[in-house]
Amino acid sequence: DAGVTQSPTHLIKTRGQQVTLRCSPKSGHDTVSWYQQALGQGPQFIFQYYEEEERQRGNFPDRFSGHQFPNYSSELNVNALLLGDSALYLCASSFGLGGSYNEQFFGPGTRLTVL
Amino acid sequence: AQSVTQLGSHVSVSEGALVLLRCNYSSSVPPYLFWYVQYPNQGLQLLLKYTTGATLVKGINGFEAEFKKSETSFHLTKPSAHMSDAAEYFCAVSGQLGNQFYFGTGTSLTVIP
Repeated sequence: DAGVTQSPTHLIKTRGQQVTLRCSPKSGHDTVSWYQQALGQGPQFIFQYYEEEERQRGNFPDRFSGHQFPNYSSELNVNALLLGDSALYLCASSFGLGGSYNEQFFGPGTRLTVL
Repeated sequence: AQSVTQLGSHVSVSEGALVLLRCNYSSSVPPYLFWYVQYPNQGLQLLLKYTTGATLVKGINGFEAEFKKSETSFHLTKPSAHMSDAAEYFCAVSGQLGNQFYFGTGTSLTVIP
């Protein structure tokens, strides 16, 4: 079992550019959540995808968008990058929408640096 | 709404000493509570969770936590620290109806040989 995988590992962009991050969930999982972890901070919830639809969203602007594919993998897109978007982006997968009883498994993250 | 406060951004203990990491939560609904550990350049790994039932929860690597509703606390403990315990620890809370987690700002644990 490969667990949750994310790509790329590291990414450097400049302000105003667009970026796409990718996540493959743990085998058997169908729900993907994305988190932003700024340096020295805890992860902050961006949004969650289930059955290819955004089900919940945190307090993030519309510049942050996502997609879930039929194979349950997911993408996080960020447009018009700002310096403040520099962070570790974590993907977490779980099974179903049965509440937080279902454990979330986290990937290693993608480190995004915006210059 | 839910939130988490972790008291002490940095904690240092001697190897073999008690580890105590503090977490207080705020929740308008019965909470689910979690402790995660993060090693450098890695994602988060679940240590333990409280959902319902027994308030003393045992996790991996000898860690345990006790849910105290009256104190709105979920402190993490380990009787004897090991060098390999050095990492960042995050407390998180979630309502029962969704998978949205609210994390604290983390506590960096240093173990002194």
